[in-house]
Amino acid sequence: AQRVTQPEKLLSVFKGAPVELKCNYSYSGSPELFWYVQYSRQRLQLLLRHISRESIKGFTADLNKGETSFHLKKPFAQEEDSAMYYCALRPSGTYKYIFGTGTRLKVLA
Amino acid sequence: DVKVTQSSRYLVKRTGEKVFLECVQDMDHENMFWYRQDPGLGLRLIYFSYDVKMKEKGDIPEGYSVSREKKERFSLILESASTNQTSMYLCASASNTEAFFGQGTRLTVV
Repeated sequence: AQRVTQPEKLLSVFKGAPVELKCNYSYSGSPELFWYVQYSRQRLQLLLRHISRESIKGFTADLNKGETSFHLKKPFAQEEDSAMYYCALRPSGTYKYIFGTGTRLKVLA
Repeated sequence: DVKVTQSSRYLVKRTGEKVFLECVQDMDHENMFWYRQDPGLGLRLIYFSYDVKMKEKGDIPEGYSVSREKKERFSLILESASTNQTSMYLCASASNTEAFFGQGTRLTVV
C-alpha cells in the first residue's frame, strides 16, 4: 500500500533551535517526495521537492531509500516557520499526490 | 498571480441539499484534484481528473461526484449533503513538477 506517515501532530521548538519534521513513506517503486507548507490563512504551497535537492527558506530534506524516510530539517528555527507541514508522495507514472496527516510546527519566542 | 480559484471561501448548506463546489485554474494543466482536509487526517483525495471528461476515484469518493467539461474547470458535487461532509475542501491542479492549490472552501452542513 502507498502511504505517508508523519508521526508528530504537533512539534514545538524554541526560536534558534534545530527542527526536524519526520516523514516516512511506504511505496515499492521509486517515489517522488515533496514537502508542502500552509501558513496561517494562506493556501497550501510547495516548499521543496526531493528531486531538486534545494534548500528553501533554510529547510532541507534528504531522501533515504533504505529507511524510506524524507525528514525535513532546519538548523535554526524562526518564528515565521510556524505553519502546518505536509509530506507528500507522488508514485511514478502518475500525477496523484498522497499526503501525510501533517505536522503543526510552532516556533516559540 | 492567483492560479487556482475556488468559487467560495465559506458555504453553509442544509442536510440533503445538492452542493456544487467550483474550481478554475489558468495554467492549462490537464490534471486536477479535489481533496478534503480534516484535522488529524491530513489531505484525502476525493476525485482526480486527468483530462476533460476523464475522472478517477480517489480514496474517499462516496457521497461525491465530479464534472470536468472544460479543461480549466473542475467541479465537485455533493449529491445529498450530510453533516459528516462538513470539512475544508481543497482543489488543486498539477504540472509535472508541482501541485498548485486553491484557497479552500470551508463547507458546513447543518
